[in-house]
Amino acid sequence: QSVLTQPPSASGTPGQRVTISCSGSSSSIGSHYVYWYQQLPGTAPKLLIYSSDQRPSGVPDRFSGSKSGTSASLAISGLRSEDEADYYCAAWDDSLSGPVFGGGTKLTVL
Amino acid sequence: QVQLQESGPGLVKPSETLSLTCTVSGDSISSYYWSWIRQPPGKGLEWIGYIYYSGSTNYNPSLKSRVTMSVDTSKNQFSLKLSSVTAADTAVYYCARRGAAAGTVWLDPWGQGSLVTVSS
Repeated sequence: QSVLTQPPSASGTPGQRVTISCSGSSSSIGSHYVYWYQQLPGTAPKLLIYSSDQRPSGVPDRFSGSKSGTSASLAISGLRSEDEADYYCAAWDDSLSGPVFGGGTKLTVL
Repeated sequence: QVQLQESGPGLVKPSETLSLTCTVSGDSISSYYWSWIRQPPGKGLEWIGYIYYSGSTNYNPSLKSRVTMSVDTSKNQFSLKLSSVTAADTAVYYCARRGAAAGTVWLDPWGQGSLVTVSS
């Protein structure tokens, strides 16, 4: 069982806006930045959002992150077929003294 | 640009030791932290641990008794050893560069991953 909780699945049609939630605790999200990773089928995860709401260069501004208290969200606007992937949230956890990941959300573009 | 490449046996027998090496190109290993993460087939990501070029380490408590990480700065490589493996250790093992800030989960880039199957 993952320390960070994500919905197992999400879906949307092209052009729509979808959000993926990530719930943690005071020792993880409540005290530290949140990171989001995108894993396309058959590939390694790729950093999508860092420091809760920052995008690495090359990541489209259709992707945005936010954090409030012990929860965080990833929003994808203008959904495209190439966004179909697994999305993982992550944060440092003081109880573990290390990173923890969410269980992942499989995004389907209908 | 920085690239990471895992290498090692794809099949390990139960009770034996899994050994993987990650070769870093495009950056000196004598900076940042270097991490190992694994992903069982069809499942999510699990942090195994990280190592600094100086040799200091931090391991996931659930694996700590079986994990050893080392770094070879002359070869720009770092390695993972996981002892007494069982079928539950079957996974794709990724190496990744971790950011330098305390408490960060900034992992970029990642290697392509190495599937290790534990089976007799």
